Amino acid sequence: AQSVTQLGSHVSVSEGALVLLRCNYSSSVPPYLFWYVQYPNQGLQLLLKYTTGATLVKGINGFEAEFKKSETSFHLTKPSAHMSDAAEYFCAVRYQTGANNLFFGTGTRLTVIP
Amino acid sequence: ETGVTQSPTHLIKTRGQQVTLRCSSQSGHNTVSWYQQALGQGPQFIFQYYREEENGRGNFPPRFSGLQFPNYSSELNVNALELDDSALYLCASSLGGTSGVYEQYFGPGTRLTVT
Repeated sequence: AQSVTQLGSHVSVSEGALVLLRCNYSSSVPPYLFWYVQYPNQGLQLLLKYTTGATLVKGINGFEAEFKKSETSFHLTKPSAHMSDAAEYFCAVRYQTGANNLFFGTGTRLTVIP
Repeated sequence: ETGVTQSPTHLIKTRGQQVTLRCSSQSGHNTVSWYQQALGQGPQFIFQYYREEENGRGNFPPRFSGLQFPNYSSELNVNALELDDSALYLCASSLGGTSGVYEQYFGPGTRLTVT
């Protein structure tokens, strides 16, 4: 079955600390990979995406993610957390065949401690 | 350029009723996707419309139906509402249908509560 797994439904970090949010996918063919952020009472905003090419992808707000095919992973990182990073983060995949729809993980809520 | 808008923002319905949710896509986009996000869960794909035709459907029963209009705005209709239909319904617009990897731009959602 094709799926997206986000390890850790809640992650807490101190302000200024490294942020690491984990995402693994299961698919025989590497999909296109996305990270979205959702602030309270808002829709989803794209942070970054990987389609082809360089496996280290830089996104908005200082976030980046690295596609590792051997590990079927696409973990999201940020060197130094800001209070404004507190939100829900979703990893999503789109498979290379079929409709242009996204399959989402269950999300990770990031709390930033002052 | 306006983004994706959805109406209404909130809605309360009774079990067994019918509901229509609306979405205006971003200017220039011809594809609309609908997602259901239950509390504490990630969004789940309901269906997608491309140039007024259904272009893919997730694992949702037929009482979830939709329309896309010539201006590419869209409606999601849900008949015979059940308590489990309570969720945030997200609309996303993009270009291109099935080809390419086009970014989906999400609206703020409609929160539906079924009592």
